[in-house]
Amino acid sequence: KQEVTQIPAALSVPEGENLVLNCSFTDSAIYNLQWFRQDPGKGLTSLLLIQSSQREQTSGRLNASLDKSSGRSTLYIAASQPGDSATYLCAVGDTGRRALTFGSGTRLQVQP
Amino acid sequence: DTEVTQTPKHLVMGMTNKKSLKCEQHMGHRAMYWYKQKAKKPPELMFVYSYEKLSINESVPSRFSPECPNSSLLNLHLHALQPEDSALYLCASSNVGRSNEKLFFGSGTQLSVL
Repeated sequence: KQEVTQIPAALSVPEGENLVLNCSFTDSAIYNLQWFRQDPGKGLTSLLLIQSSQREQTSGRLNASLDKSSGRSTLYIAASQPGDSATYLCAVGDTGRRALTFGSGTRLQVQP
Repeated sequence: DTEVTQTPKHLVMGMTNKKSLKCEQHMGHRAMYWYKQKAKKPPELMFVYSYEKLSINESVPSRFSPECPNSSLLNLHLHALQPEDSALYLCASSNVGRSNEKLFFGSGTQLSVL
């Protein structure tokens, strides 16, 4: 059974810092990996999707990498802003099941 | 239109009530999902519909009954719920059979069972 772990569970940084969120998964037979953002009590917004054949994806200040063989992904946020404060969730899609398994998330607080 | 719309946004119900959650998308997606999320926990998959047919049921209790009347609509019928069923219920949709299966989520229904 796929297990997804995110480290750290919580992170507080001053505005302007570059930061890295980590995600690891136990079964490398995935078809994609997605990073989501969730504000309190709200739905999830997809930030980046990396196909299993890709190594990274970029969108604005966000860059996500994927190392399928080692079961790891990172989300890099450049020049963090208070508006980036949210919970960031990593989710992997399994090839057999075609449904997402989520990590527990990293709660990010960016201090002005 | 890249939205998944869920109604109602909030719902309070007693353990003997029957209620329904509704979800709608007009992106032409043929896969639709129900997830349950408890506070400070990740979403947990409940059901997946693919081409209006139930393809995954994650051993969800029968007091939750999904329905997919057509390719744009997904319902979740609730009956005789327990207080521990209180959670945020999220609907999502995606393309089926394409490599870029980005998942689009609705804003959720915050359910409280008294």
